[in-house]
Amino acid sequence: ELKVEQNPLFLSMQEGKNYTIYCNYSTTSDRLYWYRQDPGKSLESLFVLLSNGAVKQEGRLMASLDTKARLSTLHITAAVHDLSATYFCAVGSGSQGNLIFGKGTKLSVKP
Amino acid sequence: EAQVTQNPRYLITVTGKKLTVTCSQNMNHEYMSWYRQDPGLGLRQIYYSMNVEVTDKGDVPEGYKVSRKEKRNFPLILESPSPNQTSLYFCASSLTVLSYEQYFGPGTRLTVT
Repeated sequence: ELKVEQNPLFLSMQEGKNYTIYCNYSTTSDRLYWYRQDPGKSLESLFVLLSNGAVKQEGRLMASLDTKARLSTLHITAAVHDLSATYFCAVGSGSQGNLIFGKGTKLSVKP
Repeated sequence: EAQVTQNPRYLITVTGKKLTVTCSQNMNHEYMSWYRQDPGLGLRQIYYSMNVEVTDKGDVPEGYKVSRKEKRNFPLILESPSPNQTSLYFCASSLTVLSYEQYFGPGTRLTVT
């Protein structure tokens, strides 16, 4: 059974600092997704990672995937208040449509 | 505008009264999925559909039904709602299951009393 663990679950950062959110999963997977959810809103796709060593960047966010370690990271560079949100990773497996989400990391960026 | 729509957005109902939450996308996506979001539990997949007439269970399918008769629509049916189905529900779609980002609907907040 595929399990997905994110940590930390809560993260309070100061503006300008760097930090990393971790997403571990328990069985082999070929697809990993990162999403953002603002309070009271729906989810927005950030990244899709499909192969070992994949790295994607947009703005101050960079996501990477290590399939051998079953680990993805979401790195935040020089955080700004606008990045405050909850971030979810989700893992898929094979050609099936099953998707397992982590519990989310609530990020708060303070001035 | 490319979008996923859900209706209703808010619903309060009573135990046992059948209800349907509609989901529609205008992007010609093959893959559609339903999730529920509960505090402390994150998002959990209820059902998904790889294409028309192809549906499969996610992690928490009990108490729910779905159908996919047309590509654009993927309704979620609660035949006999119970209070433990009180939740925030999201529908999502993507071009295919394998590689593409998912587009999420705005959510439906359901309360079952």
